[in-house]
Amino acid sequence: KNEVEQSPQNLTAQEGEFITINCSYSVGISALHWLQQHPGGGIVSLFMLSSGKKKHGRLIATINIQEKHSSLHITASHPRDSAVYICAVRGETSGSRLTFGEGTQLTVNP
Amino acid sequence: EAQVTQNPRYLITVTGKKLTVTCSQNMNHEYMSWYRQDPGLGLRQIYYSMNVEVTDKGDVPEGYKVSRKEKRNFPLILESPSPNQTSLYFCASRAGFMNTEAFFGQGTRLTVV
Repeated sequence: KNEVEQSPQNLTAQEGEFITINCSYSVGISALHWLQQHPGGGIVSLFMLSSGKKKHGRLIATINIQEKHSSLHITASHPRDSAVYICAVRGETSGSRLTFGEGTQLTVNP
Repeated sequence: EAQVTQNPRYLITVTGKKLTVTCSQNMNHEYMSWYRQDPGLGLRQIYYSMNVEVTDKGDVPEGYKVSRKEKRNFPLILESPSPNQTSLYFCASRAGFMNTEAFFGQGTRLTVV
């Protein structure tokens, strides 16, 4: 079992839909990152959080430390949101190392 | 503009021919790392560096070398590339090794034939 599991692996939505991507992890963590990988391959950091909730534009990230779970929400989705979304955690005992989920491929159709 | 720059973006090479992928950041970040991304395996750390002249192995260091002679540069060296090193490579930097945002380069797609 991977330390970081994401669901779903693939997600197709219609423009305007509310989207949720989930990330579960099995170790105690000190921080969790959400990353976005565009079709061209580049990776952009969306959020880094260790508790609660963060919001940036149409994106919202939440984390429940007790349940070892995080969600990334996209409101009013748009075709330009189509990308791979990757969850990564820094374990409490893993020093600086990040462990990554395999990613969720999101496709938003017009 | 804050950025991490990798070169080259694409590279096709032959088995055994030494190559270097360069990585440079302009944010004065202490922490830099190299990852490879393979289908079904996600991103895996190859090497990381917490400061100048301080480097350490990640999860998959075999077949790779790194150096950190200057704070801004962290090249990845493949002394004798093999086909199983065909992958998409990313360099990343962070201001510290604790809870700081990560900045990624654009990626280098390497094919070893």
